[in-house]
Amino acid sequence: DTGVSQDPRHKITKRGQNVTFRCDPISEHNRLYWYRQTLGQGPEFLTYFQNEAQLEKSRLLSDRFSAERPKGSFSTLEIQRTEQGDSAMYLCASRASGFSYNEQFFGPGTRLTVL
Amino acid sequence: GESVGLHLPTLSVQEGDNSIINCAYSNSASDYFIWYKQESGKGPQFIIDIRSNMDKRQGQRVTVLLNKTVKHLSLQIAATQPGDSAVYFCAEKPGSSNTGKLIFGQGTTLQVKP
Repeated sequence: DTGVSQDPRHKITKRGQNVTFRCDPISEHNRLYWYRQTLGQGPEFLTYFQNEAQLEKSRLLSDRFSAERPKGSFSTLEIQRTEQGDSAMYLCASRASGFSYNEQFFGPGTRLTVL
Repeated sequence: GESVGLHLPTLSVQEGDNSIINCAYSNSASDYFIWYKQESGKGPQFIIDIRSNMDKRQGQRVTVLLNKTVKHLSLQIAATQPGDSAVYFCAEKPGSSNTGKLIFGQGTTLQVKP
């Protein structure tokens, strides 16, 4: 399967714990996005990488959130001191280089539940 | 902030009928639009896209119509099948965005009755 993969698929944690999610984009895609999706809502943009550079961050990305893409391939999203409001599906998407008029391919998401 | 919205949260159709899912967007400067399908427990799946310099685009069994005058986007699915049952999202790319980030609406749930 050459699509976007995410790990883990599900994560249950207690409030105050740190969690880290991983995203492996489609191999030739140098653009990578993180989104968050709560129940019944559409995905909301969190952050964007072009190769290893993080070029945009949403105001939704509080200082407890950090994302990296150290070698321009896989990316990680860490949430420190999790809160119940962080419970959501975290989606990763990748896109080929070139014009921005091409579709983003989404992974299956990581479902986070904070108890 | 500006957002993309959908007219109806749920649409129920008979198998074999055509489906029309509507979307209203507010950012007149958006220059690219996408429809995604999301099945339960899965990530959004690309269906079809359209640039703002087009009014219509057709794919296999799907057609997207863009009316920039009233800022309206629609997805037409021909001969709807049970496998089409899912949540459908429209998304827009703000023209001011250099990153290609997408702004999603709330979604319409399509239910196909056998």
